[in-house]
Amino acid sequence: GQQLNQSPQSMFIQEGEDVSMNCTSSSIFNTWLWYKQDPGEGPVLLIALYKAGELTSNGRLTAQFGITRKDSFLNISASIPSDVGIYFCAGQLTGGYQKVTFGIGTKLQVIP
Amino acid sequence: DAGVIQSPRHEVTEMGQEVTLRCKPISGHNSLFWYRQTMMRGLELLIYFNNNVPIDDSGMPEDRFSAKMPNASFSTLKIQPSEPRDSAVYFCASGWDTEAFFGQGTRLTVV
Repeated sequence: GQQLNQSPQSMFIQEGEDVSMNCTSSSIFNTWLWYKQDPGEGPVLLIALYKAGELTSNGRLTAQFGITRKDSFLNISASIPSDVGIYFCAGQLTGGYQKVTFGIGTKLQVIP
Repeated sequence: DAGVIQSPRHEVTEMGQEVTLRCKPISGHNSLFWYRQTMMRGLELLIYFNNNVPIDDSGMPEDRFSAKMPNASFSTLKIQPSEPRDSAVYFCASGWDTEAFFGQGTRLTVV
């Protein structure tokens, strides 16, 4: 099946710094999704990307759907303590949501 | 809207015991998903229901795992007998064909 490689797996940053994380796939996707999971909670959708090359922002978050359709990145600008959590990428080729494949996650720690 | 409601939030049980996890999906959603999350394997889809019917259970690890959805407002995931390697966070998610919303999860520890 399709595999997602998400990196880095964890990162520590100072409050106010920008953050970048990315996902690569062994095959193409038609949709890329980025989720955040707070401690003790379920994943929450941050950004959805539906077209190759698409660049979408949600507040301080920006995500892009790679031209090759095999990669995506998420940037967080001017990080704040509440950005702490695990960020997941997820990709979908065809079919319903049951076909979504999740990355292993990037654990983000923000140092005040 | 209260969101997807899972119970219990935490469960500690002894190996060999039966465990039942419960989920109340968001009203109006026609799809329900059960996921398992571990450090090693991340989020894995166990089973997917559409309109209360199990469509894809290829992710269910063994016959010890079973899931039911008797009506549109309730689903259960049962493990019998439980084993220590079943320890994980189990999420229920509900939605439509192209989107899903996750519950807060049940953290299961089998000792």
